[in-house]
Amino acid sequence: DTAVSQTPKYLVTQMGNDKSIKCEQNLGHDTMYWYKQDSKKFLKIMFSYNNKELIINETVPNRFSPKSPDKAHLNLHINSLELGDSAVYFCASSHLVGGSGNTIYFGEGSWLTVV
Amino acid sequence: GNSVTQMEGPVTLSEEAFLTINCTYTATGYPSLFWYVQYPGEGLQLLLKATKADDKGSNKGFEATYRKETTSFHLEKGSVQVSDSAVYFCALSEGGSNYKLTFGKGTLLTVNP
Repeated sequence: DTAVSQTPKYLVTQMGNDKSIKCEQNLGHDTMYWYKQDSKKFLKIMFSYNNKELIINETVPNRFSPKSPDKAHLNLHINSLELGDSAVYFCASSHLVGGSGNTIYFGEGSWLTVV
Repeated sequence: GNSVTQMEGPVTLSEEAFLTINCTYTATGYPSLFWYVQYPGEGLQLLLKATKADDKGSNKGFEATYRKETTSFHLEKGSVQVSDSAVYFCALSEGGSNYKLTFGKGTLLTVNP
């Protein structure tokens, strides 16, 4: 009964490849996110979607393309992978309406290593 | 813009010691404040939160009080256990259409038996 599930959990790939990470939430939330955690554990938002519409797009290379087929899914596709893309990518979800106290629930993370 | 500053780690304590991890914030409005915890090899879990000034969040023996006058949300626990070893993140959010969490840099806590 995982609330926010993402796959794969571990991914090792070569530079230049294209890869995708999938995310699904069963919490009935209308907003989903991708966060990146770097090697120093720093967490930074990349994207946010509300009801399949992009609402946050931080300064992220356009090699990263999120896709939300419906409000329960938010996938992350990465083209032409670079060494610096190695990180842990966290999917998350929440309600949007209701004020700033809404809890954001995170998946278990996808550990991406580019070699 | 919004920002969160938390004490640099790592923090190493003996079991049953008192824990404080300092967290201060800068925000343009009236944010909600959160502590998340990341155990080794795992994802992020919400530990506690507070949504308005003077609120106290608590969970699993941890507490933090939302202090608007000092813009702080320090995490405390009276007696830590080995199982509390993890990275702790302070975070804030503000309402609106671009709802998101802004995180501090994380504090690694190691508790030795």
